[in-house]
Amino acid sequence: VVMTQSPLSLPVTLGQPASISCRSSQGLVHTNGNIYLTWLQQRPGQSPRRLIYKVSNRDLGVPDRFSGSGSDTDFTLKISRVEAEDVGVYYCMQGTHWPFTFGPGTKVEIK
Amino acid sequence: EVQLLESGGGLVQPGGSLRLSCVASGFMFNYYDMRWVRQAPGKGLEWVSGISPSGDKTEHADSVKGRFTISRDNSKSTLYMQMNNLRVEDTATYYCVKDHDFSLDYWGQGALVIVSS
Repeated sequence: VVMTQSPLSLPVTLGQPASISCRSSQGLVHTNGNIYLTWLQQRPGQSPRRLIYKVSNRDLGVPDRFSGSGSDTDFTLKISRVEAEDVGVYYCMQGTHWPFTFGPGTKVEIK
Repeated sequence: EVQLLESGGGLVQPGGSLRLSCVASGFMFNYYDMRWVRQAPGKGLEWVSGISPSGDKTEHADSVKGRFTISRDNSKSTLYMQMNNLRVEDTATYYCVKDHDFSLDYWGQGALVIVSS
């Protein structure tokens, strides 16, 4: 399953919203009815960190300015108000079909 | 607190071998699938290998099949990756990752492998 993201680069103004799109080449509804779409954040010089799983579930400790939505093949990560600590690369990942595959990443930077 | 601590990375010549280790703590290691994911310098993420909780089932990406072997020792809460016949294109940071419910919820700090003559 090929994952694509847009844009690949996203300059944003502090305090403004940001949105990242992720699309899969096949539907991500598992035979059990769940959609295994994950969003990861990788800050500069750090390991990836999971933000959101199963489309819209935020991990513990993830600020509520991050939200995920979507269905089937189209998904979106939104940051309601970008803060300086949000700079980094964001990856979507699908776990529905073997093997897991990742999107190319979207680099978020401050204007 | 979940912790995944990789070791064993380094510089190796093409055709050489390395063994990565990942010591896990903070969760029931023997309950979970574990995976290795790599990231070439300045590039994106690539799944490399996976292993079932008991170790009886393993999977490898086509790019490493026949050269890399994933294994685990549940008595030591440790994940391994034996890498043989290394190629320049295997140069990457290798992450040990915990798999939970078809998602990758915890990542180690990574082990850098450089394959160069």
